[in-house]
Amino acid sequence: DQQVKQNSPSLSVQEGRISILNCDYTNSMFDYFLWYKKYPAEGPTFLISISSIKDKNEDGRFTVFLNKSAKHLSLHIVPSQPGDSAVYFCAASANHDMRFGAGTRLTVKP
Amino acid sequence: DVKVTQSSRYLVKRTGEKVFLECVQDMDHENMFWYRQDPGLGLRLIYFSYDVKMKEKGDIPEGYSVSREKKERFSLILESASTNQTSMYLCASSTHGQGGEQYFGPGTRLTVT
Repeated sequence: DQQVKQNSPSLSVQEGRISILNCDYTNSMFDYFLWYKKYPAEGPTFLISISSIKDKNEDGRFTVFLNKSAKHLSLHIVPSQPGDSAVYFCAASANHDMRFGAGTRLTVKP
Repeated sequence: DVKVTQSSRYLVKRTGEKVFLECVQDMDHENMFWYRQDPGLGLRLIYFSYDVKMKEKGDIPEGYSVSREKKERFSLILESASTNQTSMYLCASSTHGQGGEQYFGPGTRLTVT
């Protein structure tokens, strides 16, 4: 039973436009949410996070939005750059337990 | 610079062999994790450890065991490798506390033939 779901396996956007990656979760005990980015042949690297007490966190071109009532979070990248092309994993955490989504492959076309 | 290293990038083993995957972190982190990554399934937790000699089962522990004798080292053991254990294995570490951003190693691509 997947507690964290990323329903879009892939997304393609034009350079300079906005990329929106979505994530849904089922466990209301999750209190911290993270996004990781993964390039081929490398481990995932942390990108941005948000606590359940907030609804938005921004870091440069990256913004994460959390809608607790809908159990939904999203990652916005604007403007998108070709170097952003990677697999993005959503993760949700409660104490030691962290669950990951299946990932969304983002391709940013020049 | 934080670092998590894994003993091998690529490994090929035969069915029935005992396989050891080693992970070392240099950040003095309390928590360490082993995941496997498979297409369409994301990262699935095999085992984690929140202290030396402590271990907890994750979602898919069957066929695996772990060892944590020192804080910086966490080993994953495949007691008798099977073809369905062919996968990318990722080790991670984190500090205690809320959220606990995890730092990942580069992964080991294991093929069992």
